[in-house]
Amino acid sequence: DIQMTQSPSFLSASVGDRVTITCRASQDIRNYLAWYQQKPGKVPKLLIYVASTLQSGVPSRFSGSGSGTDFTLTISSLQPEDVATYYCQKYNSAPWTFGQGTKVEIK
Amino acid sequence: QITLKESGPTLVRPTQTLTLTCTFSGFSLSTGGVTVGWIRQPPGKALEWLALIYWDDDKYYSPSLKSRLTITKGTSTDQVVLTMTNMDPIDTATYYCAHSRLWAPFDYWGQGTLVIVSS
Repeated sequence: DIQMTQSPSFLSASVGDRVTITCRASQDIRNYLAWYQQKPGKVPKLLIYVASTLQSGVPSRFSGSGSGTDFTLTISSLQPEDVATYYCQKYNSAPWTFGQGTKVEIK
Repeated sequence: QITLKESGPTLVRPTQTLTLTCTFSGFSLSTGGVTVGWIRQPPGKALEWLALIYWDDDKYYSPSLKSRLTITKGTSTDQVVLTMTNMDPIDTATYYCAHSRLWAPFDYWGQGTLVIVSS
């Protein structure tokens, strides 16, 4: 089965910083990669699908890129409301594996 | 408007079978391309994908849990049922159901239901 590896596991940055999270698939998943945001105590929310398409209503400071095995989620200017854990997920074929998550905090 | 809601027991004894129901509205699982999945999250840990059922009754399971999981359409057309056998304390988690479409990820999630496995 394809493994999804995120890095870093934890990230602390200042408000306004550019933040980048990476997700690596152990095999080619084309662009069937989604990013979710989960705020503390809340339900996961879909941010990005097909690697780079923003879900409706998601702020434009979020962006995604990549294809094949290497993907990136970028927050162009970190805001206090972006404190959350971010997960990548492959959905090209079952199992729809999640990454282990990246916790983002404000420095 | 698509909504989903999980229901089931909060407390399960070890070795028992867990049955969870996902009741949804705003879509039909009879519509081509529609899927419903289950995901769990142990306290303080990552999301774990469990199972998926397609509109045409095709089903997929987590390889590590396949022998213990069954996903079915419910007796009501707006429900999906997940059963997990031989429950263990490590299965303590919040269990979510979620909607997706063919070649798309989970776009709508239920609120989740906490299941505690303890004697």
